[in-house]
Amino acid sequence: EVQLVESGGGLVQPGGSLRLSCAASGFTFSDYWMSWVRQAPGKGLEWVANIKQDGSQKYYVDSVKGRFTISRDNAKNSLYLQMNSLRAEDTAVYYCARGQQHRNWYFDLWGRGTLVTVSS
Amino acid sequence: DIQMTQSPSSVSASVGDRVTITCRASQGISSWLAWYQQKPGKAPKLLIYAASTLQSGVPSRFSGSGSGTDFTLTISSLQPEDFATYYCQQANSFPFTFGPGTKVDIK
Repeated sequence: EVQLVESGGGLVQPGGSLRLSCAASGFTFSDYWMSWVRQAPGKGLEWVANIKQDGSQKYYVDSVKGRFTISRDNAKNSLYLQMNSLRAEDTAVYYCARGQQHRNWYFDLWGRGTLVTVSS
Repeated sequence: DIQMTQSPSSVSASVGDRVTITCRASQGISSWLAWYQQKPGKAPKLLIYAASTLQSGVPSRFSGSGSGTDFTLTISSLQPEDFATYYCQQANSFPFTFGPGTKVDIK
């Protein structure tokens, strides 16, 4: 089955760190750009970061630059998001999303998401 | 950053109705636009990309049009499973940005 499964979310204090993981299966992970997209409770969608197939290019939304790092391990079919210096406004469901092949900037496969709550 | 707006923010409609949602970009994005459907507690689902191309498996009652700054998503005959929130997304330049969403609910 073609799917993405996120893990690693939870409750963390402001200023803390968390590492999210996304396990891909059912497709050739190394062929695709991958992204993280988040959604604060009751709010809309916000693209966070993406990474090229070989990890050589990475892009971030300004609000997370210098705090979050996206990475991947193609041998393990996994995507990661290292989140440091977390703030209350980072509270959201974080989705792992696959970029469409040949049209990398459209997200054609999504995971179910993992909830990150930043609170003291 | 490119700002995306949507109208209306919500619409009440009946099964069988034709529903049109508008999305506007703060600057021209050619046809670099996608539409997603999201149901409560679920991940978004890609409906349309490149402004007007239907994603595989999406019913033909969904259609998209537009280019430049103004885009529309049309549901030709609303079905019970279409009650959801719809988002547009620009894919022209980083950072990718989404519209605030349009909630389609039952009249």
